[in-house]
This record gives sequence, structure tokens and C-alpha cells, in this order.
Amino acid sequence: DVKVTQSSRYLVKRTGEKVFLECVQDMDHENMFWYRQDPGLGLRLIYFSYDVKMKEKGDIPEGYSVSREKKERFSLILESASTNQTSMYLCATQGHYEQYFGPGTRLTVT
Amino acid sequence: AQTVTQSQPEMSVQEAETVTLSCTYDTSENNYYLFWYKQPPSRQMILVIRQEAYKQQNATENRFSVNFQKAAKSFSLKISDSQLGDTAMYFCAFMKRHGSSNTGKLIFGQGTTLQVKP
Repeated sequence: DVKVTQSSRYLVKRTGEKVFLECVQDMDHENMFWYRQDPGLGLRLIYFSYDVKMKEKGDIPEGYSVSREKKERFSLILESASTNQTSMYLCATQGHYEQYFGPGTRLTVT
Repeated sequence: AQTVTQSQPEMSVQEAETVTLSCTYDTSENNYYLFWYKQPPSRQMILVIRQEAYKQQNATENRFSVNFQKAAKSFSLKISDSQLGDTAMYFCAFMKRHGSSNTGKLIFGQGTTLQVKP
């Protein structure tokens, strides 16, 4: 069975903190993605990776970076968290057609 | 750039009835995929149905079917015999296709929250 896990379901951080969101997949997929989900805006792509150590900016990369040291793990980094980064963050991997999503991390920055 | 628009933020339907969710998109591409994803409350997003743009036949998956109008750039989802478990947020999404592969980059609509009432 396909499995994408994210390190936390809920996270509360202070403004200015460095935040790490972890995503792990067990499907040996090459492509992995980070989205943020906001009411009325749907899902927007932050970054994606098509191989280990390879990454590409999505539509809203500002304020974020990513790391992919191993094929199964893709991390999203908020260098200095701000209140406008309060959101739901979803990780996904790419099969042949379909994307498989993790459960999401609801991040609150205070 | 591609855009996807879902103009119905919220909808409701009685159990066992049929409901249609609307989606329009804008693209200059000729080769692409369209998807409907379902996100139940507090649960993971899953794929409901996929349509390949080069196929004229509308995709169906059990109680779920689409009405794909390529010229009109319209891609609606019909849910027949609605069940309580269909309560969820539904997202329409677009993916560009390159040759025999695909880009993997999905463009999502804003989402439609569907409530199925007993």
C-alpha cells in the first residue's frame, strides 16, 4: 500500500524560528512535491524535486527552501518563519499519472 | 500559464441524489491530463478520477463520471447516488503532458466543499 508520511500533523512556531517539515515516502518515486493549502486558494506548489539533490522552484518559493539528500525523504525549510506562512502544508509523490499525498501539517506561526 | 477555476465554493446534496461539480480551465496546451481529487475532513487527499485530453470518451469510476468538453475547456464531476462518505472538499487539477511522460506539476482549482445530507 502506498504511504506518504509527514513528521507532524500540527505544529506551532514563533516568528523568526527556523522550521523543518519532513516528508517520507516508501514507493521509490523520483518526483516529490511540497504544496501549501489555503482557503479559497486551493493548493499552490512551493517546490518540487525530480531526483536526489535536484530541486526546482514552484509558484510560491519565497521564504522557503528544500532539501533532498535521500530519495525517500523531502524536507521543506522555513528559514525564518513569518505569520503569513501559517497554513496547511501537503507533501506528495508522483506515480505514473497520480500524485499521492501525505496527511498534511497544519503550521501556525505566532 | 495554466489556470483552473472552480466557481462553487460550497455545495450540498441529499443522500442518494446526484450532484455535479463544475470546473473550467485555461491553457494553450493540447496535450494534458485533468483530475478530480477528494480531501475528506481530516483525511488524506486521494485521486477520484482522471481524464486524458486526447481521449474523447468521458472517464467513469463507479459512481463518479466526468463531462469533458475540450473546446469549452470545461471538466465537471458528476457524483451519482451520493453517499455520506462523499462529504469532502473536491479539487479539480490540470497537468501538462510532455511527449510520453508528464511534468508532474499539478495546477489546482480553489476547491468545492461538498456536504452530503442524510
